[in-house]
Amino acid sequence: AQKITQTQPGMFVQEKEAVTLDCTYDTSDQSYGLFWYKQPSSGEMIFLIYQGSYDEQNATEGRYSLNFQKARKSANLVISASQLGDSAMYFCAGTGANSKLTFGKGITLSVRP
Amino acid sequence: KAGVTQTPRYLIKTRGQQVTLSCSPISGHRSVSWYQQTPGQGLQFLFEYFSETQRNKGNFPGRFSGRQFSNSRSEMNVSTLELGDSALYLCASSPTAGVNIQYFGAGTRLSVL
Repeated sequence: AQKITQTQPGMFVQEKEAVTLDCTYDTSDQSYGLFWYKQPSSGEMIFLIYQGSYDEQNATEGRYSLNFQKARKSANLVISASQLGDSAMYFCAGTGANSKLTFGKGITLSVRP
Repeated sequence: KAGVTQTPRYLIKTRGQQVTLSCSPISGHRSVSWYQQTPGQGLQFLFEYFSETQRNKGNFPGRFSGRQFSNSRSEMNVSTLELGDSALYLCASSPTAGVNIQYFGAGTRLSVL
């Protein structure tokens, strides 16, 4: 079974600055995946970035990077050069061989102009 | 390539009724998963279908059921609706089962009166 923990209640960032959203996980699976999704107020869950448990390099997708520290069981999302459109709810999630995505409670990010 | 399509987008039902939600996965994707999102419980896994077989089931009562067709389209059904079933229901598809990126649809927002 997996457990995903997101403890930051809300984050504020100035436009064009970088922000880090925290996520810790716990799992008994040897092979697992970690994900970040963005959910704007419209409700759609948008995939941002994926990190496999055996990947040695941190994942990057454009302005998004995942700071994966396996020993600390953390998978923090870094958004560089924040934009107003980045204001949304962000969810960290994990999955193992059973395909079931376990989500954290989410973090609200607000980007200030 | 078209994304995951969920219909309808919005539904209003009364207690005791039943409802069927539909999900068309990304072309070529054979795994479909369903999630329920509520303010109180967050995102919870309902079930996963792969090649027309239910592969995993979350901790929901038997009133929640689903199926997958030979073209990978999936439906979920909720019978004898309760007020607590009001939620955003999200469908996700991935190419295969296991550790894969799951791509989500826009969701069906169900209100039970």
